[in-house]
Amino acid sequence: QSALTQPASVSGSPGQSITISCTGTSNDVGGYNYVSWYQHHPGKAPKLIIYEVSNRPSGVPERFSGSKSGNTASLTISGLQAEDEADYYCSSYTSISSVVFGGGTKLTVL
Amino acid sequence: EVQLLESGGGLVQPGGSLRLSCVASGHTFSSYALSWVRQAPGKGLEWVSGISGSGGSTYYVDSVKGRFTISRDNSKNTLYLQMNSLRAEDMAVYFCAKDRGYCTGGTCYPRGSFDFWGQGTLVTVSS
Repeated sequence: QSALTQPASVSGSPGQSITISCTGTSNDVGGYNYVSWYQHHPGKAPKLIIYEVSNRPSGVPERFSGSKSGNTASLTISGLQAEDEADYYCSSYTSISSVVFGGGTKLTVL
Repeated sequence: EVQLLESGGGLVQPGGSLRLSCVASGHTFSSYALSWVRQAPGKGLEWVSGISGSGGSTYYVDSVKGRFTISRDNSKNTLYLQMNSLRAEDMAVYFCAKDRGYCTGGTCYPRGSFDFWGQGTLVTVSS
């Protein structure tokens, strides 16, 4: 049950696009389409922004999109806004019926 | 919409026990899977345990197996986490979370798609 691998930090200017990667194995990310992404502002509850690789819950802007190739999933945020500055986590269902999160990525909007 | 409210956190000595509760409202409680997710100070999110909608299937991260027990009382719309033999590394904010899950045969199973979260309850393990 090793954590999924995410970059510790990414940054971008308002209006730009950024992509956060999430690398696992064939026992988690690569084996199932149950990859989710969360936005977490410290001190608040995490917010689901992508589920099942590429689906957006109601109310999440189209600027947020998800994809997967092999053992790596990706979150892309286009048209960066100041309020997007937060920590982002990926998660995946695993072959042993558990859930594993990534280490988290701090997004800074310059 | 689902509302989740955790309680039961507090200060406990190493080796001690604590029971967390999470009361849900706003949806048919027994129809969805639930999980506990924690965040240690300065660390990332970690899934701790999950339970199916019926309560018949439970799942744990290796580090808490044999020490923590997840359960639910669907008549009270309440999720529980009984934590025994607590260690310093268990100190964290504990969130309960509803899972969109995978539903079959009349019940839903955790899949890690947590669409509603509580605000969390802090567990401090210290002597």
